[in-house]
Parts: sequence; structure tokens; C-alpha cells
Amino acid sequence: DAGVTQSPTHLIKTRGQQVTLRCSPKSGHDTVSWYQQALGQGPQFIFQYYEEEERQRGNFPDRFSGHQFPNYSSELNVNALLLGDSALYLCASSLAAAQNIQYFGAGTRLSVL
Amino acid sequence: QKEVEQNSGPLSVPEGAIASLNCTYSDRVSQSFFWYRQYSGKSPELIMSIYSNGDKEDGRFTAQLNKASQYVSLLIRDSQPSDSATYLCAVRGVGTGGGNKLTFGTGTQLKVEL
Repeated sequence: DAGVTQSPTHLIKTRGQQVTLRCSPKSGHDTVSWYQQALGQGPQFIFQYYEEEERQRGNFPDRFSGHQFPNYSSELNVNALLLGDSALYLCASSLAAAQNIQYFGAGTRLSVL
Repeated sequence: QKEVEQNSGPLSVPEGAIASLNCTYSDRVSQSFFWYRQYSGKSPELIMSIYSNGDKEDGRFTAQLNKASQYVSLLIRDSQPSDSATYLCAVRGVGTGGGNKLTFGTGTQLKVEL
């Protein structure tokens, strides 16, 4: 039973570029949430997708956008990258009908130079 | 006031001792509470969930919840060096918008010494 998978594992970009991160949820899960974790901090909620729609959004600018596909996989897009966007980006999947307990993927480490 | 607060540590305990990790939260209506373990450079791993007042035990781990005091804790019995990690407290439904988002504390670093 595959867990939550994320790609790529590492990414280096320069300021102003755009990036797309991908996530495949755990088998049977229908909800995907994205978090940003800066060094030494707890994860910060970016947004959550369910039934291909953004269900909830955290306090992140519009440069952060996402998408969920019919197979429940998801993408996180970040435009006009800033140095401060350097962080570990975590995808968590859950099942809406089962208390939405969230399980995390290994994350994508993004470095913006 | 932070929505979820934890002492950043490090909390050092000798091998075999009980480690006690604490967390307070600001939103009285929060209903779901989670403890995640995160090794350095890795992603958070779910250890425990708790929804009702009282204690919940799973192996060497016990989660304790007191909604009146807005306090949740994690006890680790017979601590092992492999327990050395950062422990993140997460609360669902805290703050603006509530909902299903998890709000995390900054984590407590636990060091189990030989």
C-alpha cells in the first residue's frame, strides 16, 4: 500500500521563477492538504483540496495556487519565487469520511537562490 | 498569543525515563488533537490522535487531553535513543476558518541520552 508520494524531492530555483510540486495521496484518500515548513518551525497550512476544489486556504498570497485532479493527486504552484519561499513543502492526504486524519509525504525541499 | 504553543526545548531525558511533552492551544472549540514525530530532515509522522478528555494509550505513548485547561500532552515511557526527534503538537480547527486545517506548534526537541 503506497503512502503519500511527492516529487521532486529537491529543487533549486532562482528568484522570480515558477515551480510546480506534485503529490499523490495514500491509496483510498480523497483529500490533499499542502503545508510549508521553514527551518525550525512547525508546518504552516497553505490550502486543502477536496473533490477537485480548494476547500480551505491559509494565510498565503495568491502566488501560491493549486489543483486537484480526478484521481485525487494534486499540484502546488508557486509563481514569482522569493528567497523566503525556501522551505520544505509537505503534502498530507486524508479521507474526508474518516476524521480527516492527515498523513504526510516525504516532502519537497525547495531552495530559492 | 500563539494558536498552538510548545516549549522548543531541547528536553533531555536519560534512557529508560519518562519524557513529558506539553502543548497548549488558544481556541476552545478545537476538537481534534494530534502528535507527530519528526526526525531531522524528514517529514512528520503521526504518533497519536486524541479527541476526548482523558488519557489515550498506545504502546509506550500516552496522550492526555484537558479541554477545560486547553492543554494536551504526550508521555513517552521507557524512552529510547531512537525517540530523539522533534515532537509536533497539531490542533485541527484552530483560528480563522477553523475547518480541517492543522495548526502546528513549533515543536519540542527531545534528546534521549544513553
